[in-house]
Amino acid sequence: AQKVTQTQTSISVMEKTTVTMDCVYETRDSSYFLFWYKQTASGEIVFLIRQDSYKKENATEGHYSLNFQKPKSSIGLIITATQIEDSAVYFCAMRENTEGADRLTFGKGTQLIIQP
Amino acid sequence: NAGVIQTPRHKVTGKGQEATLWCEPISGHSAVFWYRQTIVQGLEFLTYFRNQAPIDDSGMPKERFSAQMPNQSHSTLKIQSTQPQDSAVYLCASSPPGRNSDYTFGSGTRLLVI
Repeated sequence: AQKVTQTQTSISVMEKTTVTMDCVYETRDSSYFLFWYKQTASGEIVFLIRQDSYKKENATEGHYSLNFQKPKSSIGLIITATQIEDSAVYFCAMRENTEGADRLTFGKGTQLIIQP
Repeated sequence: NAGVIQTPRHKVTGKGQEATLWCEPISGHSAVFWYRQTIVQGLEFLTYFRNQAPIDDSGMPKERFSAQMPNQSHSTLKIQSTQPQDSAVYLCASSPPGRNSDYTFGSGTRLLVI
């Protein structure tokens, strides 16, 4: 069964710095998809960025990028030039690339606090 | 595009009563998912539909929870004989075809059972 683990419960950094959030996953599949989502204080959950396991290049999207280390089953989220509005809970998620495996398995989340 | 619409936003029920939660997915999205979020358990998968057909309900507490998708424009999650431990935020999400597709989440229904 697939499993996603985020060991950092909470991170606090100063505004305009770079932060990395960790995520490791377990799967028996050789092909899978990894996602990061953000949940704001209002409860809204929004998609940020995706990494396809068969792609060697790390995905980037605006000031979000990923550090994909397949041998370590690790997918870190990097946020550069952090802003106050980046304060939120960040979830890592995985979906296996097999028939019937449409659901995402989520980690427990990392709370990010951006200090002015 | 109004996104995924969930109603009601908040619901308070007495122990033992029934609660029905509604979800309207994004038009054209083929899959609809239900999750439950609590502080302790995080985001727990409950069930999902693809093209209105139930595919996986492995996360559903079998006795009191049921979900339906009678047409492509809405899905319901029904909880019978609600218990205090059912208190949570219930989230609906939809996604277009393709396993690399991301979810679009609704705003959730906060259920409180007293």
